[in-house]
Amino acid sequence: GESVGLHLPTLSVQEGDNSIINCAYSNSASDYFIWYKQESGKGPQFIIDIRSNMDKRQGQRVTVLLNKTVKHLSLQIAATQPGDSAVYFCAENRGDYKLSFGAGTTVTVRA
Amino acid sequence: GAGVSQSPRYKVAKRGQDVALRCDPISGHVSLFWYQQALGQGPEFLTYFQNEAQLDKSGLPSDRFFAERPEGSVSTLKIQRTQQEDSAVYLCASSLGGSGRVRETQYFGPGTRLLVL
Repeated sequence: GESVGLHLPTLSVQEGDNSIINCAYSNSASDYFIWYKQESGKGPQFIIDIRSNMDKRQGQRVTVLLNKTVKHLSLQIAATQPGDSAVYFCAENRGDYKLSFGAGTTVTVRA
Repeated sequence: GAGVSQSPRYKVAKRGQDVALRCDPISGHVSLFWYQQALGQGPEFLTYFQNEAQLDKSGLPSDRFFAERPEGSVSTLKIQRTQQEDSAVYLCASSLGGSGRVRETQYFGPGTRLLVL
């Protein structure tokens, strides 16, 4: 499943499929980007980050892609599992310590 | 190890009441942040501490909001004369080092859900 375009607030994906969550950021000066996962009733949990001098970074079952030309960020989750159901936020750092969060995408995994 | 903890987890206040929200950061973390998260939205920056110094309070919505970290560890966010629009989840985060241009992971607590009636 994929959230296509700038941003879709929800994404439904079949268990075992790959998920792609998209995010557009606004500030060309941003040089650090982070994906957080937030489950209901919990705080955001760090998933993976990427600096602006990179195009791609891989973690365990997750990959972040950064396209600075179009100011686009994506998170790919391989073999999506029920535990991946959550709200996913991209956040950008604009050159200092502040994080600026996007609106979030709610991912629902269908069994 | 222990993560960021916050208390209380839930707070119901009557309009006009003062509230105090506590954050215990990860031990040894220099930087501490407060964010406000409205329902269905991403967190919004409120304020930043490096040790006991409040270096940035530009996100505090009004002078009714006050934060402190007197000994450089535990922090308290105080809201005076609460209003209904203050209803939100208040998140605390900490990171290991100081500011400057070092990019460090911010680790979040579970948040305090404040409801003002």
